Amino acid sequence: GDSVTQMEGPVTLSEEAFLTINCTYTATGYPSLFWYVQYPGEGLQLLLKATKADDKGSNKGFEATYRKETTSFHLEKGSVQVSDSAVYFCALRSETSGSRLTFGEGTQLTVNP
Amino acid sequence: DAGVTQSPTHLIKTRGQQVTLRCSPKSGHDTVSWYQQALGQGPQFIFQYYEEEERQRGNFPDRFSGHQFPNYSSELNVNALLLGDSALYLCASSLAQVRSYGYTFGSGTRLTVV
Repeated sequence: GDSVTQMEGPVTLSEEAFLTINCTYTATGYPSLFWYVQYPGEGLQLLLKATKADDKGSNKGFEATYRKETTSFHLEKGSVQVSDSAVYFCALRSETSGSRLTFGEGTQLTVNP
Repeated sequence: DAGVTQSPTHLIKTRGQQVTLRCSPKSGHDTVSWYQQALGQGPQFIFQYYEEEERQRGNFPDRFSGHQFPNYSSELNVNALLLGDSALYLCASSLAQVRSYGYTFGSGTRLTVV
């Protein structure tokens, strides 16, 4: 079945540091891939998405590239801010899963000033 | 443009009771999905409603049921509550015809079972 594996957290960085959160997946065919962010006490917000191999999703300085050969969708940001502190979820929607989203466990990011 | 609205925001129930959670989808969306997010974990798919019918279901017992109304709003019902049902319940809406679209999520209902 479909699955998403995220790097173990939590991650703590200083402001302006480079961020990478690893995400790998298992799915049949060519799934659509997503990164969602969850701020404390809130629901999920779509951060970025990619729907086919080699697509790069980007938003608010965050980027992720759909790598079919390594089944990965790593999230990166060149310079993090305190306001980026949140939980980040990698998710997929596969061709055989209907409309279901499959999420990873989430990675807690804390950015210190 | 209002996003997804869920009510109530917080709820405390006793084991064995029944609960109903409500969701209004984003304007223009016709599909509603429900997810359960236990503390420290990723959301788990419960089921999805489209055209007032349950279209897809995750690995949840029959105690979890739902409904979609003609205006696309939805309810999630949980019977015979267990302590393990304590979680954040998220509603997500989307447009059925756009497969690559990421869902729009509400802020959730925090259910505590005591």
